[in-house]
Amino acid sequence: QVQLVESGGGVVQPGRSLRLSCVASGLSFSRYPIHWVRQAPGKGLEWVAVYSYGRGYKHYADSVKGRFTISSDNSKNTMYLQMGGLRTEDTAVYYCVREWSRDCGFDYWGQGALVTVSS
Amino acid sequence: QSVLTQPPSVSAAPGQKVTISCSGSGSNIGNNFVSWYQQLPGTAPRLLIYDNNKRPSGIPDRFSGSKSGTSATLGITGLQTGDEADYYCGTWDGSLSVGVFGGGTTLTVL
Repeated sequence: QVQLVESGGGVVQPGRSLRLSCVASGLSFSRYPIHWVRQAPGKGLEWVAVYSYGRGYKHYADSVKGRFTISSDNSKNTMYLQMGGLRTEDTAVYYCVREWSRDCGFDYWGQGALVTVSS
Repeated sequence: QSVLTQPPSVSAAPGQKVTISCSGSGSNIGNNFVSWYQQLPGTAPRLLIYDNNKRPSGIPDRFSGSKSGTSATLGITGLQTGDEADYYCGTWDGSLSVGVFGGGTTLTVL
């Protein structure tokens, strides 16, 4: 049974940093790209970043490039999203998702982690 | 402003059919596969359609997908009140090397 569980969300002041974790069970990060997708309150889905450990690539949305870093610890089956220079517009629920089919076919989603950036 | 364009809302009566469009460009929909997601209030999105027109296990055949050129369409037949949700299209943009979503369409079953 595949399960993705995010943690690390919370309230943080603008300009500060926060690290989200995504623990996976029932899947191997080396086989599937893992993405982060966010959703601001009352808004639509926004793609944030992807890490394919097996193929060795990382990509980021322009809105987070240079501020966010995606990484993984395969020994812990955990994916991380290190978020720096946080802005109020980064306030959102962040989902960790598995790309199961080509071109962003996401079959498993975590429950989401709420990040609130506010002074 | 989303890269993919969807109508903000659609509505239809129970039992009827509705279609939701998703318009993009050659660098995204035109050259990649499209997925569709359903998001019920307060829940994470659920994959409805992948690879333009395939349904994951457990998704009823009332849901269908198609793609032509730089546009894709989600069709829902036999509408039920439980289908009231937000629907999103998504794909990869090869020129930008980013994932892209539509702005979402709210379905109301009158």
